[in-house]
Amino acid sequence: KQEVTQIPAALSVPEGENLVLNCSFTDSAIYNLQWFRQDPGKGLTSLLLIQSSQREQTSGRLNASLDKSSGRSTLYIAASQPGDSATYLCAVRRHGGATNKLIFGTGTLLAVQP
Amino acid sequence: NAGVTQTPKFQVLKTGQSMTLQCAQDMNHEYMSWYRQDPGMGLRLIHYSVGAGITDQGEVPNGYNVSRSTTEDFPLRLLSAAPSQTSVYFCASSAGVAEAFFGQGTRLTVV
Repeated sequence: KQEVTQIPAALSVPEGENLVLNCSFTDSAIYNLQWFRQDPGKGLTSLLLIQSSQREQTSGRLNASLDKSSGRSTLYIAASQPGDSATYLCAVRRHGGATNKLIFGTGTLLAVQP
Repeated sequence: NAGVTQTPKFQVLKTGQSMTLQCAQDMNHEYMSWYRQDPGMGLRLIHYSVGAGITDQGEVPNGYNVSRSTTEDFPLRLLSAAPSQTSVYFCASSAGVAEAFFGQGTRLTVV
């Protein structure tokens, strides 16, 4: 059974710091991995999608990496800003069977202090 | 672009009442799903559909029904609401296994 873990559950950093959020998964048979951002009381906003054949994806100050063999992904945020404060979720889409199913981690709550 | 639209945004139900949560997408996506989000539990899949007329159960389907008569719409029905169904519900759509897009959620309280 695929399980997705995000550590730490919460993180507080000063503005301007570079930071890394971690996501690990137990089954390497995945189609892709997607990172989301969720603001309090809001929906999920897609940040980056990495296909299983890719090593990394970049969007602005965000860089996501994927090491499928070790079951790990990281989301790197450069020069953090208070507006980056949110919960960050990763989700994997399994390969085979119900491929429409996204399996989520429980998220990392990020607070960027001004 | 509207994307994925959910209605209502908030709802309070009494135990035993029924209701339908609406979800519509305008991206012509064949895959649509319903998730519930509970503190400490993450998001869990309730039901999903891979196209009009095709639905299947997810991880936590009990107490919920779905149908998919059109590509655009995927309503979620609560048959007889229970306090355990108090949650935030999210609808998602994707073009197959591509990037998934989520609605803004429906916050449901059952008293």
